[in-house]
Amino acid sequence: ETGVTQSPTHLIKTRGQQVTLRCSSQSGHNTVSWYQQALGQGPQFIFQYYREEENGRGNFPPRFSGLQFPNYSSELNVNALELDDSALYLCASSLEPASYEQYFGPGTRLTVT
Amino acid sequence: TQLLEQSPQFLSIQEGENLTVYCNSSSVFSSLQWYRQEPGEGPVLLVTVVTGGEVKKLKRLTFQFGDARKDSSLHITAAQPGDTGLYLCAGDSGTYKYIFGTGTRLKVLA
Repeated sequence: ETGVTQSPTHLIKTRGQQVTLRCSSQSGHNTVSWYQQALGQGPQFIFQYYREEENGRGNFPPRFSGLQFPNYSSELNVNALELDDSALYLCASSLEPASYEQYFGPGTRLTVT
Repeated sequence: TQLLEQSPQFLSIQEGENLTVYCNSSSVFSSLQWYRQEPGEGPVLLVTVVTGGEVKKLKRLTFQFGDARKDSSLHITAAQPGDTGLYLCAGDSGTYKYIFGTGTRLKVLA
């Protein structure tokens, strides 16, 4: 059984560009949540996907969007990058939205210059 | 806006000492989780508490959920260098949107 994987590990982008981050959920998990973790802070909930539909969203602007595929893997897209978007982006998978246990991937470190 | 405040923010102790980390909120949570995160990695779930007053033990770690389900504590007995890391609490208000605290950075010196 493989854990949650994310790609790429690191990414450097320029302000105004667009970025796509990818996440493969743990086997058997149909729910993926995305978080943004700024340096020195706890993760902040961006949104959750359940069976290919958005199932809840945090306080992030519409330029943060996502997708979930039939195999339950997921993408996070960020348009019009801003300097403050520099952070560690984490995805977490769980068996279902109501599951108390979520398993995190190692994250993608995004730097916006 | 729901907030989870953790204290202390930083803690540096000698191996063998005991410590307690606190997680407080003015909001009620249906469940609360504790994670440990090491540099360059994602958080790893340590425990989930659901019932007010619940106490769970994981080897030298003891977790307690407040009676009113607004606060929690993590107590580590006889800390070891391997306990070093960022400890995060996260609460779920029932909407599956987990609110994370700002974390407690623990360093255990050998």
